[in-house]
Amino acid sequence: DAGVIQSPRHEVTEMGQEVTLRCKPISGHNSLFWYRQTMMRGLELLIYFNNNVPIDDSGMPEDRFSAKMPNASFSTLKIQPSEPRDSAVYFCASSQTGTSGYYEQYFGPGTRLTVT
Amino acid sequence: GENVEQHPSTLSVQEGDSAVIKCTYSDSASNYFPWYKQELGKRPQLIIDIRSNVGEKKDQRIAVTLNKTAKHFSLHITETQPEDSAVYFCAASQGNSNTGKLIFGQGTTLQVKP
Repeated sequence: DAGVIQSPRHEVTEMGQEVTLRCKPISGHNSLFWYRQTMMRGLELLIYFNNNVPIDDSGMPEDRFSAKMPNASFSTLKIQPSEPRDSAVYFCASSQTGTSGYYEQYFGPGTRLTVT
Repeated sequence: GENVEQHPSTLSVQEGDSAVIKCTYSDSASNYFPWYKQELGKRPQLIIDIRSNVGEKKDQRIAVTLNKTAKHFSLHITETQPEDSAVYFCAASQGNSNTGKLIFGQGTTLQVKP
């Protein structure tokens, strides 16, 4: 398996532009997580999906952020409009969940976003 | 909800010494406690995990202990090597949720001096 795939790996954009980050989870995994990592705030969970359904989006910083998971193999995180404070590394992770309660999360390589 | 506290935030040891990182959690229903290692510029990767029905687990030079009564767990690295230098994150499952959500600690930057 190729692991969790994220694109693009690097994104540089100007303030006010729309940014779309993409994630393909590991085949067969049914939970997907979007994280943001900065030096100041560490690793923050933004939103997660289970069986393509958003379960908890309380970590989404504001209405400029939105996420979708139209099918089991694809998810997007969109920022519109982008601001310099959105600059961070965005990770997508997936896991295969069930009833055991023990689920390893596999992280993608991340997207380094720079908003100027 | 679950809260995970991790200490210390930075740790510097001499090569060959041991390193210990400690975490506490708040939700007594949490039952899964993984540890992730993140090298500079890379993604977090699982290095070891422990389940609530086990008190200790070892894998070569790393070990994790869990004290459910006190709600804390620790990572122990023995005979540290320069390649152990990284940021380490502890995490705890959100109760016994079957959606796989993990609550991460703030991270510990470990520096191993040759």
